[in-house]
Amino acid sequence: DGGITQSPKYLFRKEGQNVTLSCEQNLNHDAMYWYRQDPGQGLRLIYYSQIVNDFQKGDIAEGYSVSREKKESFPLTVTSAQKNPTTFYLCASTYSGLAGELFFGEGSRLTVL
Amino acid sequence: AQRVTQPEKLLSVFKGAPVELKCNYSYSGSPELFWYVQYSRQRLQLLLRHISRESIKGFTADLNKGETSFHLKKPFAQEEDSAMYYCALRGWGGGADGLTFGKGTHLIIQP
Repeated sequence: DGGITQSPKYLFRKEGQNVTLSCEQNLNHDAMYWYRQDPGQGLRLIYYSQIVNDFQKGDIAEGYSVSREKKESFPLTVTSAQKNPTTFYLCASTYSGLAGELFFGEGSRLTVL
Repeated sequence: AQRVTQPEKLLSVFKGAPVELKCNYSYSGSPELFWYVQYSRQRLQLLLRHISRESIKGFTADLNKGETSFHLKKPFAQEEDSAMYYCALRGWGGGADGLTFGKGTHLIIQP
């Protein structure tokens, strides 16, 4: 079953704690993206990667870090510097960085305790 | 800078009535425009793109460069159309290879 898998679906972290969200795709897509989805804010780009071992900051990269060691994987680490409480993270991928159709994961909801 | 504006956070219409979700954009060149949809408990997915000029699930959207708009329309709303809709623009010069999303419109179809 091809697609994008995000895990975990629900995650809790304490203040001062770093957590990592997983995003895996078996679609052989080159480009991968991380977005935050907040009510009334739409989708805001955190980081993106067009090829392995390369990634770029999006509009709200502060407090986050990523890696792209494999084509299939693009994990996102939410660091203790990220102060926002509960929010929803979406991972997406596409064949190339210039394509229009993004394929999205089901999302991960992170709650800060 | 490129920008996408969806003026309505919430739009409620009755089943069978026409639907129009507004999208206006700001971009100096020739953009690509898209509509994405997120049904309850489902993934965000592409609904349609202006290049293909197709009708998906009865929805159409025409790019109006003069008014810089890409409104999504359906003549007769159905209950299953209730969802969150996002307009998106791909330009050249914005962040993330130029894909910018609007803040979304929550469409509710009342029976």
